[in-house]
Amino acid sequence: AQRVTQPEKLLSVFKGAPVELKCNYSYSGSPELFWYVQYSRQRLQLLLRHISRESIKGFTADLNKGETSFHLKKPFAQEEDSAMYYCALNPGLNSGYSTLTFGKGTMLLVSP
Amino acid sequence: NAGVMQNPRHLVRRRGQEARLRCSPMKGHSHVYWYRQLPEEGLKFMVYLQKENIIDESGMPKERFSAEFPKEGPSILRIQQVVRGDSAAYFCASSPRQGAVEAFFGQGTRLTVV
Repeated sequence: AQRVTQPEKLLSVFKGAPVELKCNYSYSGSPELFWYVQYSRQRLQLLLRHISRESIKGFTADLNKGETSFHLKKPFAQEEDSAMYYCALNPGLNSGYSTLTFGKGTMLLVSP
Repeated sequence: NAGVMQNPRHLVRRRGQEARLRCSPMKGHSHVYWYRQLPEEGLKFMVYLQKENIIDESGMPKERFSAEFPKEGPSILRIQQVVRGDSAAYFCASSPRQGAVEAFFGQGTRLTVV
């Protein structure tokens, strides 16, 4: 069975500081990895996914299969980045549909 | 397009009562997923439905929980004889087709059992 681990419940940084939210996974196949974000009082929304290798709002994440990690990074945090961040794994489309396994989430607080 | 709509946003039930949670997917979406988030936990997959069909209910508790997605109307997650341990946030997500990478989430229903 797949598993997603986010070791930090809370990450507090100052504005302009670098940010790294950690995510490790366990899965025997080739998963798809995602980061979702939930801003205060808003719905969960997709931030980025590893297959697209894009940067969204300055965030990037690289899939490291050797370390089974998918850490989320941003070089300079902004106050508006404060939110709950969830790492999620999709075991793949072999079954013909996708479901997600989520980590417990990391709350990012960016102080002025 | 108003997005995935869930109602009610908050629901309080006494132990033993029934809870009905509704999810209206985005327009044009015929695939619905339900997730549950217990306190201090991540979201856990419960069930995947297409119109009039349950495709995967591997995450559903064996008793008291049921889900449907009728041809017309919203998807319903029904919890009979609720217990305190059912208190959680229940999220619905929808996608336009089978195998779609991205699912769009509703704002969730927070169920409190007193």
